[in-house]
Amino acid sequence: AQTVTQSQPEMSVQEAETVTLSCTYDTSESDYYLFWYKQPPSRQMILVIRQEAYKQQNATENRFSVNFQKAAKSFSLKISDSQLGDAAMYFCAYRSGGSARQLTFGSGTQLTVLP
Amino acid sequence: ETGVTQSPTHLIKTRGQQVTLRCSSQSGHNTVSWYQQALGQGPQFIFQYYREEENGRGNFPPRFSGLQFPNYSSELNVNALELDDSALYLCASSRLDLTGELFFGEGSRLTVL
Repeated sequence: AQTVTQSQPEMSVQEAETVTLSCTYDTSESDYYLFWYKQPPSRQMILVIRQEAYKQQNATENRFSVNFQKAAKSFSLKISDSQLGDAAMYFCAYRSGGSARQLTFGSGTQLTVLP
Repeated sequence: ETGVTQSPTHLIKTRGQQVTLRCSSQSGHNTVSWYQQALGQGPQFIFQYYREEENGRGNFPPRFSGLQFPNYSSELNVNALELDDSALYLCASSRLDLTGELFFGEGSRLTVL
């Protein structure tokens, strides 16, 4: 079974600064997807960024980028120019490459953005 | 485009009762999945439905059951409620294609007393 580990329960960052959230995973599969989701107090999970395992290039979405190290099974999220609206719980998630849409989530990192 | 909507948003039940939670999928989506998120934890996969049939299930007992209707809306039913069933229940819909991005609702907060 796949597992996802987030070792930072809480992180804080000054507004306009950069922060990196860590995630490691364990799998024996070669075809899979990795995700970062954001869950604000409204509770709705919002997709931040996605990485396909077969792609060597790290995914980027505006201020959000990942450092995907496949051999090390590491998938960190970097948030640049942090904004107050970035404050939320961030979850790393894994999905197998087949037709199933089952996500395996980590335990989350609570990000606080300080003004 | 209408997003994923869930009802009710909050509810309180007592141990041993039964509960039904509802979800309307996003337009054009044919797959729905349910997750349980205990306080302070990440969501855990309960099951997934595609074309009205369950096609994936997590490590949850049979008293957790579901339905998907022809209009792709869905229900999650939990029988014989236990205190540990207190959680946020999230519904997510997607298309069954290669991208398969999940779109989540805001969840139903269940408290079991």
